[in-house]
Amino acid sequence: VQLVESGGGLVQPGGSLRLSCSASGFTFSNHALHWVRQAPGRGLEYVSGISSNGGDRYHADVVKGRFTISRDNAENTLYLQMTSLRPADTAVYYCVKDEGRWLTIMIPDYWGQGTLLTVSS
Amino acid sequence: DIQMTQSPSSLSASVGDSVTVTCRASQYISNYLNWYQQKPGRAPKLLISSASNLRSGVPSRFTGSGSGTDFSLTISSLQPEDFATYYCQQSYSTPWTFGHGTKVEIK
Repeated sequence: VQLVESGGGLVQPGGSLRLSCSASGFTFSNHALHWVRQAPGRGLEYVSGISSNGGDRYHADVVKGRFTISRDNAENTLYLQMTSLRPADTAVYYCVKDEGRWLTIMIPDYWGQGTLLTVSS
Repeated sequence: DIQMTQSPSSLSASVGDSVTVTCRASQYISNYLNWYQQKPGRAPKLLISSASNLRSGVPSRFTGSGSGTDFSLTISSLQPEDFATYYCQQSYSTPWTFGHGTKVEIK
């Protein structure tokens, strides 16, 4: 299993960015996926999740209305579209594969290495 | 939201020691509790799911227990590679939430 995040970088407050996660080594369309972030020197925070068929999505309140999770099962890629970015969004964003198909029980069995987003002027 | 409280926030131990990290949920979560290990600059690694299910490839010196609101992770006979930060996470209801972590350091 490989999960490779990309798209992080430096963005100004109020800006937008899209993160991508390219997956391989498993049947992508059979698994729910998540984004989890970690601010520098801090703990882990759940951001968003999407079911295997993309029909069910969840966004934490802190990002609801600003971030959108999506997936392309034909391209084995997970996305996180982020808008109205704030300095508090600065973190390493991890792409996470779930053991199951649905957003009912989260058992994240594989994590990517993460991509760093810095929101600063 | 379900709050996850880990204790201690850090501990010092020697190679060969047995250590226990506890995690308390602010409400009932059955056995929907995962444990992770994270080393500096690395992604978290899932050690235990469903409170006590040891994941494939994880050494048997790691043991998880508990149900309801109180859980624990025990590492028997600490090895040099076990010095890391450990997190619990509830998967009972959204938003899935993590504990603040327990850093296990070398004494």
